[in-house]
Amino acid sequence: SSELTQDPAVSVALGQTVRITCQGDSLRSYYASWYQQKPGQAPVLVIYGKNNRPSGIPDRFSGSSSGNTASLTITGAQAEDEADYYCNSRDSSGNHPFGGGTKLTVL
Amino acid sequence: QVQLVQSGAEVKKPGASVKVSCKASGYTFTSYGISWVRQAPGQGLEWMGWISAYNGNTNYAQKLQGRVTMTTDTSTSTAYMELRSLRSDDTAVYYCARDGVNGGDFWYDAFDIWGQGTMVTVSS
Repeated sequence: SSELTQDPAVSVALGQTVRITCQGDSLRSYYASWYQQKPGQAPVLVIYGKNNRPSGIPDRFSGSSSGNTASLTITGAQAEDEADYYCNSRDSSGNHPFGGGTKLTVL
Repeated sequence: QVQLVQSGAEVKKPGASVKVSCKASGYTFTSYGISWVRQAPGQGLEWMGWISAYNGNTNYAQKLQGRVTMTTDTSTSTAYMELRSLRSDDTAVYYCARDGVNGGDFWYDAFDIWGQGTMVTVSS
């Protein structure tokens, strides 16, 4: 299956750690990438590969993977991290489906 | 700087076609692919397909097969996405994104540069 499943919503207290997960069969074979999207803006790549951050992404963002589950962890969440987060991965047909997205609320 | 600049908003009637452009600058256009992603109002991201700017090879999402065509013009470093037989549920913001991150010895599947988005409204 090429579907990627995410929890619709997650909340975290300011300064605490939160993990956002993404499940799918394709994650057993391919890395996930993670995107942050704020209202009215284009998505921004935050994690790719095993655990790589593009230039300019704070080191509080990290990625990991185990079996069919990829995770994005924010260590010490900030108010500006409140956003929608999407995972993406390729499948065996070369398609790149997105997960349904997780709305992160920072309390 | 590296950027993708898309064409402006469009309003179309059901059954019509739309063609969105995405002009790249700041990098070697033919060294990367371009993926197109859309987002209906209040909904998540949907990957539509990919085109190699090197040789024009394409891979389209199955649900759009037969209605979408992606092309490139290497002389102007511009990618195009045409969607035909428009329906109301094609109303969305359409994004182009640079596909592939060069990790030196390894290319990663990821979209690292995004256009600003083009709003396409389908309404009678």
